Amino acid sequence: DGGITQSPKYLFRKEGQNVTLSCEQNLNHDAMYWYRQDPGQGLRLIYYSQIVNDFQKGDIAEGYSVSREKKESFPLTVTSAQKNPTAFYLCASSPLGQGLPEQFFGPGTRLTVL
Amino acid sequence: DAKTTQPPSMDCAEGRAANLPCNHSTISGNEYVYWYRQIHSQGPQYIIHGLKNNETNEMASLIITEDRKSSTLILPHATLRDTAVYYCIVRSGGTSYGKLTFGQGTILTVHP
Repeated sequence: DGGITQSPKYLFRKEGQNVTLSCEQNLNHDAMYWYRQDPGQGLRLIYYSQIVNDFQKGDIAEGYSVSREKKESFPLTVTSAQKNPTAFYLCASSPLGQGLPEQFFGPGTRLTVL
Repeated sequence: DAKTTQPPSMDCAEGRAANLPCNHSTISGNEYVYWYRQIHSQGPQYIIHGLKNNETNEMASLIITEDRKSSTLILPHATLRDTAVYYCIVRSGGTSYGKLTFGQGTILTVHP
């Protein structure tokens, strides 16, 4: 089945530690995105990537880093510089060059920093 | 991208039509209206999108007013599984990629 996988579903870390969230897609989509969601709020864009080895900052990139070494993978690292890392993190992907394709979302990773 | 305004919550009886409104009075000519929904603790799910004409798919119908300043998402026969947060998003047609700007959406509760 084609889709987007994020692992793990729940993640706990101590304050001051970096943590990397996984996102993999087998939809052959060019574009991938990371969003953050806080309780009762909408999604906010952290980073996005249109092609391999290229990515752009979204609205709230500070304290985060990404890489795009493979088309199917777009891991997000939450660094110790992120002041409020506890949140629900969502990865998405979409094809390019076909008008305005919808974005397909993964199931999300809930990160709790203790 | 234009800002949208949605009611914070709505109720609907199971089996009845759910009509979710959205105001986007500052929408420009090349901006599309998208609808997504998010069931609790899951990733958002695409529902439908449109530019000017009304649209229908297997999930819902989208009615856009002639002046394009507002739209309504219609779930024709709501079920308990349609309980979710529904997001109305306006997105520029200038690029084939880019962010979706999610507001706080409408919490739709379908009750028996």
